[in-house]
Amino acid sequence: EIVLTQSPGTLSLSPGERATLSCRASQTMTSPYLAWYQQRPGQAPRLLIFGASSRATGIPDRFSGSGSGTDFTLTISGLEPEDFAVYYCQQYGRSPLTFGGGTQVEIK
Amino acid sequence: QVQLQESGPGLVKPSETLSLSCSVSGGSISKYYWSWIRQPPGKGLEWIAYIYYSGTTNYNPSLKSRVTISVDTSKNQFSLKLNSVTAADTAIYYCARALWGSWGVFDSWGQGMLVTVSS
Repeated sequence: EIVLTQSPGTLSLSPGERATLSCRASQTMTSPYLAWYQQRPGQAPRLLIFGASSRATGIPDRFSGSGSGTDFTLTISGLEPEDFAVYYCQQYGRSPLTFGGGTQVEIK
Repeated sequence: QVQLQESGPGLVKPSETLSLSCSVSGGSISKYYWSWIRQPPGKGLEWIAYIYYSGTTNYNPSLKSRVTISVDTSKNQFSLKLNSVTAADTAIYYCARALWGSWGVFDSWGQGMLVTVSS
């Protein structure tokens, strides 16, 4: 199975700052079947990005995804208060579908 | 907008079977893939299985020997059974719908249901 490693584990930033989250796959993904989700405390995950770089419906454009092969990035261009949450990457190119361990974005 | 709602017992005894249902409202279960995903308290996400409305299934090999997923299109719901549970199966269980045309991008989720395995 494809193992996804997210870094850093925790990112401490201030509102307005730029957040850069990394997701590395254990195998080369020949197609960009990589998604990102946001999870706030006590809530279900919310889809942000799919296909490595396509924003889901209703997602603000401060969220962007990039990458290919084994290295993928989620960028939040200017953190809003509601963006402080845990973020998961997920691959769906090969079964079993797998998630990364998550990056917590916390207020500095 | 489609809504998903998990239901079932919140407490299951060790060695017994965990049974959950997911009711879909505001949309049809047809033409989509539907999954179960779980999250142990304070930990990450684990995909369990998917089912297509036609009945095609796919399971995570780590759980395949203990899991059955099924669909009832007449009731617009799908279900999960996990047998021989242990404390390690204690988790929040989510049902989710995949984007149309995809099997693995989840654009709609239930609120989640905490299932505790304990005697």
